[in-house]
Amino acid sequence: DTGVSQDPRHKITKRGQNVTFRCDPISEHNRLYWYRQTLGQGPEFLTYFQNEAQLEKSRLLSDRFSAERPKGSFSTLEIQRTEQGDSAMYLCASSSSTGITGELFFGEGSRLTVL
Amino acid sequence: QQPVQSPQAVILREGEDAVINCSSSKALYSVHWYRQKHGEAPVFLMILLKGGEQKGHEKISASFNEKKQQSSLYLTASQLSYSGTYFCGTEPSGGKLIFGQGTELSVKP
Repeated sequence: DTGVSQDPRHKITKRGQNVTFRCDPISEHNRLYWYRQTLGQGPEFLTYFQNEAQLEKSRLLSDRFSAERPKGSFSTLEIQRTEQGDSAMYLCASSSSTGITGELFFGEGSRLTVL
Repeated sequence: QQPVQSPQAVILREGEDAVINCSSSKALYSVHWYRQKHGEAPVFLMILLKGGEQKGHEKISASFNEKKQQSSLYLTASQLSYSGTYFCGTEPSGGKLIFGQGTELSVKP
């Protein structure tokens, strides 16, 4: 098992451009989470999926952020019209859970820099 | 909704003990603890469930007071490898895990 993988690891973009991140979870895991983390802060919840269903999302995702998990396997997080404040590490995590959340396995993250 | 951790930072000598606290304003299904080293992803340490069940690390223990919505992480006989930022994650409803702002722990020789 190769763990949770994220791509790209680093992305530099200009303000106003769209960016997309991909996450491949551990294969047998049914839950997938997206978090955003800035320096010195804890991971900020963005959204999570159980299989292909998006069960909850933060208010942030109602604006320029959107996430999908089309077949219940990999997931994408898209940010439209990026702003400098979007610069952060975007973390993906997966777990094998049905009710209460079990151990989260994190990927190495995708670092976004908006110029 | 974000849990509050205290202290924000701790400096220890090897072999000393530390306690990190996590407090939530909401009733909780579970509390998770993770450690993140600089430049790395968070790594799971422990989960505490309603009813007292614990799953996790051999050398690190924790408590969960369901009535007070509080958890504490106990690090005993600290080692250099314990250095990092510790996050509690609280689960107010099944599935969504919210992390605190973190406690930075530095263990010196």
